[in-house]
Amino acid sequence: DAKTTQPPSMDCAEGRAANLPCNHSTISGNEYVYWYRQIHSQGPQYIIHGLKNNETNEMASLIITEDRKSSTLILPHATLRDTAVYYCIVRAPGSARQLTFGSGTQLTVLP
Amino acid sequence: DADVTQTPRNRITKTGKRIMLECSQTKGHDRMYWYRQDPGLGLRLIYYSFDVKDINKGEISDGYSVSRQAQAKFSLSLESAIPNQTALYFCATRSKVAGADTQYFGPGTRLTVL
Repeated sequence: DAKTTQPPSMDCAEGRAANLPCNHSTISGNEYVYWYRQIHSQGPQYIIHGLKNNETNEMASLIITEDRKSSTLILPHATLRDTAVYYCIVRAPGSARQLTFGSGTQLTVLP
Repeated sequence: DADVTQTPRNRITKTGKRIMLECSQTKGHDRMYWYRQDPGLGLRLIYYSFDVKDINKGEISDGYSVSRQAQAKFSLSLESAIPNQTALYFCATRSKVAGADTQYFGPGTRLTVL
């Protein structure tokens, strides 16, 4: 699985959009970008994933650059409950058996 | 109701005791996993199962055993608990549908071994 780089922490005001960046410059053509989050001591939660097109679901939007070397997770209207560690993971379908979570980005949503 | 449930949610036990952590899922997924998480560290895979008859060791299986009683149930046992097995334990599931690489996690079991 390709290596990813994320800022260690970010703050965001409640109600504003939270934009979380991820660099994955060594991504291969068949590797997807996945985002998970973990609220303190809870189970990790899947958010969204994509290959090269931008994706949107009820939780977030994922913007992947044309060269696929970086991506941004967007939480359009952050709430206090979005405070969590966000993990960007790059992996090919059916690849390594376990998910490898790096250090992620601690997002703190401020009132 | 949650798709992936774990019992118990919290457990305190003593060194040498046998303990079982249980995981059930209603997602209909074939693949199930057990991870542990230690403070400040990422997830580490203990065991995984692709179906009832296919069980595999992960990177840290020593001291643990598992049982896949049915497609929906995957139990983790500590035969003789030791203090360094104190951790947060997560069960996860995944569909075997091609390209469906998303894992769904349970709420976790906080285990303390005294």
